[in-house]
Amino acid sequence: EVQLVESGGGLVQPGGSLRLSCAASGFTFSSYSMNWVRQAPGKGLEWVSYISSSSSTIYYADSVKGRFTISRDNAKNSLYLQMNSLRAEDTAVYYCARLMAVAGGFDYWGQGTLVTVSS
Amino acid sequence: DIQLTQSPSFLSASVGDRVTITCRASQGISSYLAWYQQKPGKAPKLLIYAASTLQSGVPSRFSGSGSGTEFTLTISSLQPEDFATYYCQQLNSYPRAWTFGQGTKVEIK
Repeated sequence: EVQLVESGGGLVQPGGSLRLSCAASGFTFSSYSMNWVRQAPGKGLEWVSYISSSSSTIYYADSVKGRFTISRDNAKNSLYLQMNSLRAEDTAVYYCARLMAVAGGFDYWGQGTLVTVSS
Repeated sequence: DIQLTQSPSFLSASVGDRVTITCRASQGISSYLAWYQQKPGKAPKLLIYAASTLQSGVPSRFSGSGSGTEFTLTISSLQPEDFATYYCQQLNSYPRAWTFGQGTKVEIK
């Protein structure tokens, strides 16, 4: 069974940093591209970042470019999101999601981890 | 970036109704469109990919159509478990900013 489990969320002050993790199991993690998607409280979905299976290609939404860094460790079946210079508008539930095929859609999602940026 | 506009934003319907949600893209995206269902407190669930391909395990009452800039998600006969928020997402190859529509909330009439 495919499982994605996020961790690392919490309360952080504006300007602070946080590192999210996503532990994958039930599939060959190294064969799939992965993404982070976030959802602010009561709002819609926002794609945040993409990383290819080998980490050779990475993309970011303009809203996080220069502040967030996506990475992965295929040996540990894990995906990460390093978030620096956090702002109140980064408050959201962060989901990791698997890209099923090239431009096919996100077929598996984690349960999400809440990040709250507040003083 | 490519913008997606869903209509309506809110929809009130009864069990058994046929429901159609539209997603319009600000530029052509071929068939690189997916539809998701999200229930409160839960992660989104993939329903349709490549505009019209039903994801495995999704009931056949869900269908998708369209290409280019206009797409539709249709629920042929609304069931109690279908009351949720639905999002479209474009996965066009360039630029790689895979935006979502703003969502359509389907509520019980």
